[in-house]
Amino acid sequence: GQQLNQSPQSMFIQEGEDVSMNCTSSSIFNTWLWYKQDPGEGPVPLIALYKAGELTSNGRLTAQFGITRKDSFLNISASIPSDVGIYFCAAPDKYSTLTFGKGTMLLVSP
Amino acid sequence: SAVISQKPSRDICQRGTSLTIQCQVDSQVTMMFWYRQQPGQSLTLIATANQGSEATYESGFVIDKFPISRPNLTFSTLTVSNMSPEDSSIYLCSVGGLAGTETQYFGPGTRLLVL
Repeated sequence: GQQLNQSPQSMFIQEGEDVSMNCTSSSIFNTWLWYKQDPGEGPVPLIALYKAGELTSNGRLTAQFGITRKDSFLNISASIPSDVGIYFCAAPDKYSTLTFGKGTMLLVSP
Repeated sequence: SAVISQKPSRDICQRGTSLTIQCQVDSQVTMMFWYRQQPGQSLTLIATANQGSEATYESGFVIDKFPISRPNLTFSTLTVSNMSPEDSSIYLCSVGGLAGTETQYFGPGTRLLVL
């Protein structure tokens, strides 16, 4: 089956720092999605990307759809304590079922 | 988006028993899915819940172990049958196909511990 390789596995940063995480695959996708999961909650969608090369922002979050359609990255600028959580990349197949990356756990020190 | 609720939010069960998890959506949706998230792991799709027909299961998941119902466009159930400690996980339902996008929206999850 399809696999998404997400890195880094975890990050521990200081408040105010910028963060970057990425997701790669050997398969080509037409859509990339980024989610955040808080403890005890279900994942919440952050950004959706639909076109190769597309760069999309949502507040302090910026995500890009790689030109090869095999990768995507998510940047968080000026991190704050509430950014703590697990960030997942995900991509749908032709049946709209999602494959998830293994997640990046982000910890932010005040 | 949609408002999705799940019952129960958590449960502790004895091995060999079964638990049925309910997923309710506040609007009609075309697509509903069930995922499992094992402790400290990512989400794995169990099956697509099809309205009016049998669910479509992913490799490694079978109907006898995870029977699914979807009687209408706002409700679905997942049963975890003959449970063992290895079934201890978070079970999440999601909905998709909203506004013609690929984004899925998730319920809060059901936390299951099997002793």
